[in-house]
Amino acid sequence: DQQVKQNSPSLSVQEGRISILNCDYTNSMFDYFLWYKKYPAEGPTFLISISSIKDKNEDGRFTVFLNKSAKHLSLHIVPSQPGDSAVYFCAASDPGNTGKLIFGQGTTLQVKP
Amino acid sequence: EPEVTQTPSHQVTQMGQEVILRCVPISNHLYFYWYRQILGQKVEFLVSFYNNEISEKSEIFDDQFSVERPDGSNFTLKIRSTKLEDSAMYFCASIRGILNTEAFFGQGTRLTVV
Repeated sequence: DQQVKQNSPSLSVQEGRISILNCDYTNSMFDYFLWYKKYPAEGPTFLISISSIKDKNEDGRFTVFLNKSAKHLSLHIVPSQPGDSAVYFCAASDPGNTGKLIFGQGTTLQVKP
Repeated sequence: EPEVTQTPSHQVTQMGQEVILRCVPISNHLYFYWYRQILGQKVEFLVSFYNNEISEKSEIFDDQFSVERPDGSNFTLKIRSTKLEDSAMYFCASIRGILNTEAFFGQGTRLTVV
């Protein structure tokens, strides 16, 4: 039952270039999505979120795009920096209003200097 | 900046033993969660807690698991009789409100059952 899917387990980009991480979901009732970044041996750290009433949200180098018709969202990081190397998790807030998050499998981003 | 803190950072226990994982959520947050991540897998929801009771639990959260908030600040996860497959990172999280707010996670407790 994979309601949130990140189909790319890993991504490698050059420093200064754009990183694009993708996420697909199956439940059309999802209306709030989040991206978390995780370093080894640490907890997930919130990066950016988007509500389904928007199709784009930007915060500095990070932009999240939401395509509701395709049930797809993406995280753009530009320019990418070596410190961005981490695992990125896409998550959807469960519509049952308990605040629980449903995570994708994660994408490991490596930014090469 | 306020943060969620978890103790211990690493716990090794023998199969069949009881463990208690502790968390101090952010003080003005009202909703509390436990998640776990088995090595190499995704982060999975275990349980949510609000107003001193469980609001939702996953199928993973069976009778060997329990949660409580004994003193208004600590939030604990107890595993009564640990199994090898309970080995994982356990993350505590809290949110301020229920609508469109981000969850803040602790740094995790690595539980190793031997």
